[in-house]
Amino acid sequence: ILNVEQSPQSLHVQEGDSTNFTCSFPSSNFYALHWYRWETAKSPEALFVMTLNGDEKKKGRISATLNTKEGYSYLYIKGSQPEDSATYLCAFISGGYNKLIFGAGTRLAVHP
Amino acid sequence: GAVVSQHPSWVICKSGTSVKIECRSLDFQATTMFWYRQFPKQSLMLMATSNEGSKATYEQGVEKDKFLINHASLTLSTLTVTSAHPEDSSFYICSAQQRGGYEQYFGPGTRLTVT
Repeated sequence: ILNVEQSPQSLHVQEGDSTNFTCSFPSSNFYALHWYRWETAKSPEALFVMTLNGDEKKKGRISATLNTKEGYSYLYIKGSQPEDSATYLCAFISGGYNKLIFGAGTRLAVHP
Repeated sequence: GAVVSQHPSWVICKSGTSVKIECRSLDFQATTMFWYRQFPKQSLMLMATSNEGSKATYEQGVEKDKFLINHASLTLSTLTVTSAHPEDSSFYICSAQQRGGYEQYFGPGTRLTVT
C-alpha cells in the first residue's frame, strides 16, 4: 500500500513569518509529485508538478523542492500573508499509474 | 481556464434513497474523470476512474453497484450513491483530465449527509 504523509497536520503562524512543511512518499517507482492549495469551499488549485530529483519550483512567495531518492518534498512560504491560509495537499503518482495518492494535508492559518 | 464544477455543493438525504452528484468540465474536454471521497481528517481517497464512453474502473473496496458512475460525454460525469446509508456521509470531489494531459483539475466538492 502506497502511503503519503504530510507534516505538520496544522500550523499557525503570524503574518510575515516564513514557514515550511513536508511531504513524504515512497521513494521507489516515483513518477511525479503534485502540490495543491485548497481554500475552504473552493476547488483544490494546482501549485506545482515535480518530476525530477533535485527539482526546485517557485511561484511568487511559494517554492517547493523534491528529493526522490529519499522520498520527500518541502513546500516553503516566504513572508506568509493571511490569504495564504489554506490546506496544502501533496499527491504522489507512481510510475505506470494515472492516479494521485494524497496526503492528509497541512492546514495553514496565517494570523494578521 | 480548466474550470470544473460540481452540483450540488451539499445535499442531505434520507437513508435508503439515492443521490446523484454531477461533475462538469466547463471549458475543456475531459477524457478522464476521477471521483474521490474524503472522511474527516483523512486524505482524499480515489474511488474510481472513468474514461468517456467506457465503464469506470473502481478502486479496491469500493462497491461498484453502490457507487454508480457514468461518463457519457466529454464534459459530464455523474456519481450516484444508491440506497444511501449514514456511513456514506462524506465529502465527494471529482477531478477532470484532458486527453494526453497529466494535470487533474478539481471541482469544489459535494458534502453528502445521510440521515
